[in-house]
Amino acid sequence: KAGVTQTPRYLIKTRGQQVTLSCSPISGHRSVSWYQQTPGQGLQFLFEYFSETQRNKGNFPGRFSGRQFSNSRSEMNVSTLELGDSALYLCASAGQGSNEQFFGPGTRLTVL
Amino acid sequence: AQSVTQPDIHITVSEGASLELRCNYSYGATPYLFWYVQSPGQGLQLLLKYFSGDTLVQGIKGFEAEFKRSQSSFNLRKPSVHWSDAAEYFCAVGALRKLIFGTGTRLQVFP
Repeated sequence: KAGVTQTPRYLIKTRGQQVTLSCSPISGHRSVSWYQQTPGQGLQFLFEYFSETQRNKGNFPGRFSGRQFSNSRSEMNVSTLELGDSALYLCASAGQGSNEQFFGPGTRLTVL
Repeated sequence: AQSVTQPDIHITVSEGASLELRCNYSYGATPYLFWYVQSPGQGLQLLLKYFSGDTLVQGIKGFEAEFKRSQSSFNLRKPSVHWSDAAEYFCAVGALRKLIFGTGTRLQVFP
């Protein structure tokens, strides 16, 4: 079974731009979560989607948003990028009723 | 509030030596506990998990962890470390469909 895939793997943007990251979960998984990893703040939960509905949200500003499609693929969007948004963004998927999350390789976003 | 503490930021061991990485958690109910490993530039790989039952859990790559409710701990152990174990290790508690991570322990292995 293929793992969680994330595209693109690397991205460079400038302040003020917006960015969209994509995540394809493991086949059959309907829950997709997003995490931000930075040296200063560590791993922080952004949001979780299940069946196209956001079920849980972390403590991030409204510039961070996401969505999930009917095939369980998910995207997250960051608008009006700031330097502090430079991070590794990790996507994870979980099977229904499972607490075990499987992570993708991440998208490394650099904001200049 | 739920939280995870990994008191050791950086640990250095010699290849073949034993290893114990510490993890303490704060959670009101019976926790779901995880250990993940991350190699440079990579995502997180699940080493092992504890949901219930036997408090000593076995994972991949020869790792094990012991859940001790009285100490709110879930320490990761390996009897003999290999050079390929050098990486960053994260302890996490599962709460309300999200993972709360500790700050990580970076493991360095000397030959």
